[in-house]
Amino acid sequence: DAKTTQPTSMDCAEGRAANLPCNHSTISGNEYVYWYRQIHSQGPQYIIHGLKNNETNEMASLIITEDRKSSTLILPHATLRDTAVYYCIVRVGGAGSYQLTFGKGTKLSVIP
Amino acid sequence: KAGVTQTPRYLIKTRGQQVTLSCSPISGHRSVSWYQQTPGQGLQFLFEYFSETQRNKGNFPGRFSGRQFSNSRSEMNVSTLELGDSALYLCASTTGLDEAFFGQGTRLTVV
Repeated sequence: DAKTTQPTSMDCAEGRAANLPCNHSTISGNEYVYWYRQIHSQGPQYIIHGLKNNETNEMASLIITEDRKSSTLILPHATLRDTAVYYCIVRVGGAGSYQLTFGKGTKLSVIP
Repeated sequence: KAGVTQTPRYLIKTRGQQVTLSCSPISGHRSVSWYQQTPGQGLQFLFEYFSETQRNKGNFPGRFSGRQFSNSRSEMNVSTLELGDSALYLCASTTGLDEAFFGQGTRLTVV
């Protein structure tokens, strides 16, 4: 799976949009971008994933650049409960082995 | 629907002992994966089981093993425990296509 690079930490004011960047310059054509987050000492939680089109769900939006070498996770109105470590993960899609390779992620702190 | 259930939540063991952790996946999920999380190494993939067969394995010594039963429930075993095995052990279940659902984990402390 392709390697990802994320900033170590970010702050965001409560109520503002949180934009979390991720670089995945070696991504292959059949690899998807996944985002998970982990709130302190809990199991990771799936947020969103995409291949090349932008995606939106009730939690977040995922913007993938046209060359697919980077992406941005957007939390539109951050709350204190969004404080967590956010992981950007690249994995081959389809029904094969489901292995997630976690990096160090971005620690997002939402400030009141 | 019920989530992924891991038991026990907390465990204290002595060096040299062995331990078995249990994971009950979401109903209908046939893929169960295990991860180890430590402050130094972060989240690391241990192995994945699908339909009772190990489908993938991470870079861990043979002391770490697992199995999956016909009802998709999975167990992982660590033999000859070392201090460095102290960690949060997480189980995830998935249909294999989109998202994985993680349990709350088992916090293992080796003394």
